[in-house]
Amino acid sequence: QVQLHESGPGLVKPSETLSLTCTVSGGSIGTNYWSWIRQPPGKGLEWIGYIYYSGSTNYNPSLKSRVTISVDTSKHQFSLNLSSVTAADTAMYYCARDFLDSGDNDQGFDIWGQGTMVTVSS
Amino acid sequence: IQLTQSPSFLSASVGDRVTITCRASQGISSYLAWYQQKPGKAPKLLIYAASTLQSGVPSRFSGSGSGTEFTLTISSLQPEDFATYYCQQLNIYPFTFGPGTKVDIK
Repeated sequence: QVQLHESGPGLVKPSETLSLTCTVSGGSIGTNYWSWIRQPPGKGLEWIGYIYYSGSTNYNPSLKSRVTISVDTSKHQFSLNLSSVTAADTAMYYCARDFLDSGDNDQGFDIWGQGTMVTVSS
Repeated sequence: IQLTQSPSFLSASVGDRVTITCRASQGISSYLAWYQQKPGKAPKLLIYAASTLQSGVPSRFSGSGSGTEFTLTISSLQPEDFATYYCQQLNIYPFTFGPGTKVDIK
């Protein structure tokens, strides 16, 4: 079955760029949308954005100026870059597969990685 | 679109029937999902399209609603159901989540 695994630095300095990678195993990265979601400690969930295997993206406007999501189908990976980070970007970061219905409508995230904690601190 | 959940916290006993409400600031048709999150774990999709049970999810979970008001019901609370529950709308970008409802043991 499809599994997702996030990887990347656990500590990033303020003003630098947070870079994470999600590796897809057990299935194809094609024909799906792939999302990034984050959760600050003790708080709720925030959708960051998604990428389609073809490379098209959709970002949360609250982060759009700082976010880039990319895909490397040959490596079965998609990645998140978040620039100019501050302490407010400290969070657990999850990658997830978007679940599409028969009409190709996004109906939620059915497969999640275990998450990776990123702390922004000097 | 903003989502609100009520209650934000509820204390219940094993065997209780539990209902959580999610309200959207504008109509979202049936593009609503429910998730369960346990401490230190990723969220788990329970229900999508407001009322469709995700594969493998116990039938004691059910969802209903459309437009702006939705409910998640657990017909008979089990020990493994103590967790935080989130709703999410997928009708309009950006996708947004409710603030969560924590279900604790009475």
